[in-house]
Amino acid sequence: QKEVEQDPGPLSVPEGAIVSLNCTYSNSAFQYFMWYRQYSRKGPELLMYTYSSGNKEDGRFTAQVDKSSKYISLFIRDSQPSDSATYLCAMKRSNDYKLSFGAGTTVTVRA
Amino acid sequence: AAGVIQSPRHLIKEKRETATLKCYPIPRHDTVYWYQQGPGQDPQFLISFYEKMQSDKGSIPDRFSAQQFSDYHSELNMSSLELGDSALYFCASSQGRRGNTEAFFGQGTRLTVV
Repeated sequence: QKEVEQDPGPLSVPEGAIVSLNCTYSNSAFQYFMWYRQYSRKGPELLMYTYSSGNKEDGRFTAQVDKSSKYISLFIRDSQPSDSATYLCAMKRSNDYKLSFGAGTTVTVRA
Repeated sequence: AAGVIQSPRHLIKEKRETATLKCYPIPRHDTVYWYQQGPGQDPQFLISFYEKMQSDKGSIPDRFSAQQFSDYHSELNMSSLELGDSALYFCASSQGRRGNTEAFFGQGTRLTVV
């Protein structure tokens, strides 16, 4: 079993809808949580970076971390066709260099 | 803003050949990471360097080696290439010790072994 579980989808939503993505994890030592967006054949682009539990908002993106449930979420409001990509969650332990990734969720926003 | 630069972007090699991938981190970033991403897979951590010293090691094959130079750029050397080494290789960089800051990825090098 992988340390980080993420439903690969695919997820298809109409333009303007809220996209809801989530990951669960098993390692309670994870302290830093990230969401990356990856377009086909491109490098992962950092969207959100959070430490420990709580919420963080940046424009149309909201990241939530619930360490008690070992569950993290990313919400994309007012989704646009340009949001169509694969979204990867990643996390790491404090003082570690290695990121552990989820499998990625492929999202398509239909115009 | 400057990003992580990787070269080459594409590389085709034959089995048993050697390949060298280069990574130039974001200015003032002192930590670099190497990841391998197979088709339809998530990135797998290979190795990282902080201040020119190896800081962490993941699932890097013994046929691969890497180093970070005085100007902080890094090179991943891959020898005795196998068909299974075909993948996207990403470099990422961050600033500060222990990796507790955001890691930014480059656009990757697509290696094809034939």
